[in-house]
Amino acid sequence: GAGVSQSPSNKVTEKGKDVELRCDPISGHTALYWYRQSLGQGLEFLIYFQGNSAPDKSGLPSDRFSAERTGGSVSTLTIQRTQQEDSAVYLCASSLLAGAGYNEQFFGPGTRLTVL
Amino acid sequence: DQQVKQNSPSLSVQEGRISILNCDYTNSMFDYFLWYKKYPAEGPTFLISISSIKDKNEDGRFTVFLNKSAKHLSLHIVPSQPGDSAVYFCAVIYQGGSEKLVFGKGTKLTVNP
Repeated sequence: GAGVSQSPSNKVTEKGKDVELRCDPISGHTALYWYRQSLGQGLEFLIYFQGNSAPDKSGLPSDRFSAERTGGSVSTLTIQRTQQEDSAVYLCASSLLAGAGYNEQFFGPGTRLTVL
Repeated sequence: DQQVKQNSPSLSVQEGRISILNCDYTNSMFDYFLWYKKYPAEGPTFLISISSIKDKNEDGRFTVFLNKSAKHLSLHIVPSQPGDSAVYFCAVIYQGGSEKLVFGKGTKLTVNP
């Protein structure tokens, strides 16, 4: 079956522009996560969705970052007024259910964002 | 402050030998630990996990050891194969509803033929 997909795979933008990154989770997965990996760093949690609501936004680095999820499926991560420090690989993951023991998170291939 | 530390950025081993990747964590309340493997331009894939009630979990060539008193876990790959060359991330599950993962910075393993 289809895995987690993300688009675009690469995005180059100019400082100050807004960008939207898309994630299509595995069908039926209710939990969705966004992480990012900056150069030389591990994966850093950004936000968690259960269905369409986001009970944990604790990892969003600033109010320039926002995310939404619609129909319990597709999620969009928006970065406004991008800065060079936003350059990273943004990874989306989904799992069947959170909060009932460990449920494996399946990752997409990521979107590589470069802010010039 | 890093909660999960992988102090070796890279490791190189010969094909057929053992690879040992190490990870330290700071919070004794963590109770589930995982290893993920990542190839370039791909997302991480789950490899093996261990619960805090165990000290060893084995899956084929991969074994994870947990030393709770030392807050240390390790991943052993025996025998190592060139296809194992990848970046390995240690992660813990942050309990409290979201099950978000807290990752180390990764260790790049190179297995030489």
